[in-house]
Amino acid sequence: NAGVTQTPKFQVLKTGQSMTLQCAQDMNHNSMYWYRQDPGMGLRLIYYSASEGTTDKGEVPNGYNVSRLNKREFSLRLESAAPSQTSVYFCASSAPGQGTYGYTFGSGTRLTVV
Amino acid sequence: GNSVTQMEGPVTLSEEAFLTINCTYTATGYPSLFWYVQYPGEGLQLLLKATKADDKGSNKGFEATYRKETTSFHLEKGSVQVSDSAVYFCALRSSNTGKLIFGQGTTLQVKP
Repeated sequence: NAGVTQTPKFQVLKTGQSMTLQCAQDMNHNSMYWYRQDPGMGLRLIYYSASEGTTDKGEVPNGYNVSRLNKREFSLRLESAAPSQTSVYFCASSAPGQGTYGYTFGSGTRLTVV
Repeated sequence: GNSVTQMEGPVTLSEEAFLTINCTYTATGYPSLFWYVQYPGEGLQLLLKATKADDKGSNKGFEATYRKETTSFHLEKGSVQVSDSAVYFCALRSSNTGKLIFGQGTTLQVKP
């Protein structure tokens, strides 16, 4: 089925470990996004990529890096995980054009840092 | 800056009750407005949207009207079901930046 695929679905890390969250979309969308979801705070934008070859910081980028590998794939890397990064991470993509389109979301990665 | 404010939850209703979840926004320009729904353990799904003032979005019995004069986009449903239990997010997409900005989410629990 067409959509946004995230891997892994669950992960437990020790403080200081690194990992990369993978995201791929097959809808030929130009723009891709990484959000984190925390209780009572809604979704907060970490990084986004308006088009292949570009990335920009969102609201909460500290402690993260991203790579837009090609049009389909957008990965999020935690170089040295901290307990404050325990969260649910969502990748999303959107069609070209501003404003009128919503985003398509992946099913999320539940990350626990101990 | 752009922001979205939703009523705090959780909202607990009996089956067949009327639902309203309030949402107000602050934005420059002419944003599009959205409601997303998140069922337990899943990602967000687009529920409905409205792209200009006075538009009404509707889907699965849910409705919301884009009110520019009151900067609101309240979600309503006439008769909720247990299967509607989920977290509902109001969001706006700025016409300037294209980025989607979310409210904090409202948890709805419907009891039989």
